[in-house]
Formats: sequence, C-alpha cells, structure tokens
Amino acid sequence: KAGVTQTPRYLIKTRGQQVTLSCSPISGHRSVSWYQQTPGQGLQFLFEYFSETQRNKGNFPGRFSGRQFSNSRSEMNVSTLELGDSALYLCASRQTTVTNEKLFFGSGTQLSVL
Amino acid sequence: ELKVEQNPLFLSMQEGKNYTIYCNYSTTSDRLYWYRQDPGKSLESLFVLLSNGAVKQEGRLMASLDTKARLSTLHITAAVHDLSATYFCAVDTNSGYALNFGKGTSLLVTP
Repeated sequence: KAGVTQTPRYLIKTRGQQVTLSCSPISGHRSVSWYQQTPGQGLQFLFEYFSETQRNKGNFPGRFSGRQFSNSRSEMNVSTLELGDSALYLCASRQTTVTNEKLFFGSGTQLSVL
Repeated sequence: ELKVEQNPLFLSMQEGKNYTIYCNYSTTSDRLYWYRQDPGKSLESLFVLLSNGAVKQEGRLMASLDTKARLSTLHITAAVHDLSATYFCAVDTNSGYALNFGKGTSLLVTP
C-alpha cells in the first residue's frame, strides 16, 4: 500500500510569490491534515480536511489556505510568501478504526523563501 | 490553549542504559501520540495511547498514559545507537483532528 505522497519535495520561492503544495493520502483515508515544522516553532497544526470539508484550522494567517478534492487529495496554498514561511510542510492522513487511530505522515515539502 | 511540554529536550545516554522521556499536557485529552523523527526525515508513528492507564511496548520502547496526571512517559530500556533520533509527543485537542506537539526530545545514544 503506497504511503502519503507529497509533491514537490523541495521548493525555492522569493518573497511575495505564492506556492501550492500537494498531498495524496493513503488510499481509503479520507482525512488529511497539514503541519508546519520550523526549528523555532516546532510542529504546528495548519488545518484538517475530511470529505472536502475543513474541520479544523490552526492559528495561521489567511495567507495559508487549503482544499481537498473528491478523491481525498489535498492542496495547500500560501500566498504573498514571507521569509518566515520557510519550513518543512508535512501532510498526514488519518486511519481510524474502532480500537485504534493513527496518523501517517508524508516525507514533506521543504519550502525555502528567499 | 493546549500546551504540551516535553522534558528533557536533549538527552545523551550511553548504550545499555535506561531512561525516561516525560510529556505533560495542560488540558483534558484522552489521545496521546508518540512519534520518532530521524534527521531530514518525516515522522514515524510509534504509539497511540487512547485511554487512561494505557501501556504499549515495542522493542526497547514503552509508552504509558496517565490522563488524570496529564502525563505520558516514553521509557527506553537498554538503549542502542539506532534509537538516536528526535522523539515527539502530541496530544489531540478536545475538538479533535488537530495535534499539538511538544518541542521534541533529541536523543543521542553513544557507545
């Protein structure tokens, strides 16, 4: 079974540009969440989607947005990039059973803003 | 706001020794996760603890959860070099579907 796939793996952008990151969850997983990881702030929750609906949103400015498609693939967009947006962006898909729950993380997209 | 605190943040230990990483959280939650991250890699799920008193073990690692004390521990037994990594605990918010992570414990196991 393929894991969570994130593309691209690396991105270099300049301030003011916008960027779109993609995430394909594990087949059958309908929940996709996004996290930002930086050395200073650590891992922070961005948002979570389930069946194309945003269920929860973290404390990030409106420049950060996302969406989920009918096939559960998700995209995250950051507009008007700032230097502080440089980070590893991780996507995770959630598997929930009666007795267990697990998040599977992708390899991430490393975004550098110059 | 849910806060998750791990300690220690840095840990250097000798092979063969035992040690415990602590994870405290500030508000009620009954879901706690432990992850491992190797340098330049993504997060690998280690344990999911879903109820008070839950204990799970995998190899040299054992995790436990005390929801009344709002405390989870990750115990390392007879450490080996391969366990060198950063370990994160994370707690689900009461609204669900969003994890709050601790700062991570950077573990180095030396000969």
